[in-house]
Amino acid sequence: EPEVTQTPSHQVTQMGQEVILRCVPISNHLYFYWYRQILGQKVEFLVSFYNNEISEKSEIFDDQFSVERPDGSNFTLKIRSTKLEDSAMYFCASSVPGSNEQYFGPGTRLTVT
Amino acid sequence: GENVEQHPSTLSVQEGDSAVIKCTYSDSASNYFPWYKQELGKRPQLIIDIRSNVGEKKDQRIAVTLNKTAKHFSLHITETQPEDSAVYFCAASLGGSNYKLTFGKGTLLTVNP
Repeated sequence: EPEVTQTPSHQVTQMGQEVILRCVPISNHLYFYWYRQILGQKVEFLVSFYNNEISEKSEIFDDQFSVERPDGSNFTLKIRSTKLEDSAMYFCASSVPGSNEQYFGPGTRLTVT
Repeated sequence: GENVEQHPSTLSVQEGDSAVIKCTYSDSASNYFPWYKQELGKRPQLIIDIRSNVGEKKDQRIAVTLNKTAKHFSLHITETQPEDSAVYFCAASLGGSNYKLTFGKGTLLTVNP
């Protein structure tokens, strides 16, 4: 069964550095999402993306964040100048046109020191 | 925006007993309500969902009920097994392919053998 994949599984970075989190959505999915989950808390929506454009973003998704689909398979989340409070698990999700169902990747644990 | 409240935050049951987790939502326009199961360190996995044109849906030992008037939906697990132990998240969405999920805070279910 196809699954969303994410790399790396764990990223440690120093405060102020830039990180890029990578996702490969399920191949026939056209809608892509990033969510984050701070340890012990609920999953929070960051951004949705369709047709090479951001569809919706949350108040968390400020100028520090950007997303890109650089080729036909990858979907990336860039965090510029990371802060301690960016430490969280970041999940990518995707969905197929005409369906409500979102399928999540295994997540990237980002640790900012 | 949408707000989803979930109760209880923890639930401990004996193997074979039933478990019920309840959620309320605030946006009457929401019409898609999925439930995700997240085992420790793993991705959230969609286990069942319900749309607003349906009052109840069942899949083997799990069922979900929806009361649109009260803006309330619940997950029911019967004949619980130790492998049901996980964090369960409810979510709400406007539905369609490009709408974010708003999650509840999660319920840690422990099934004691």
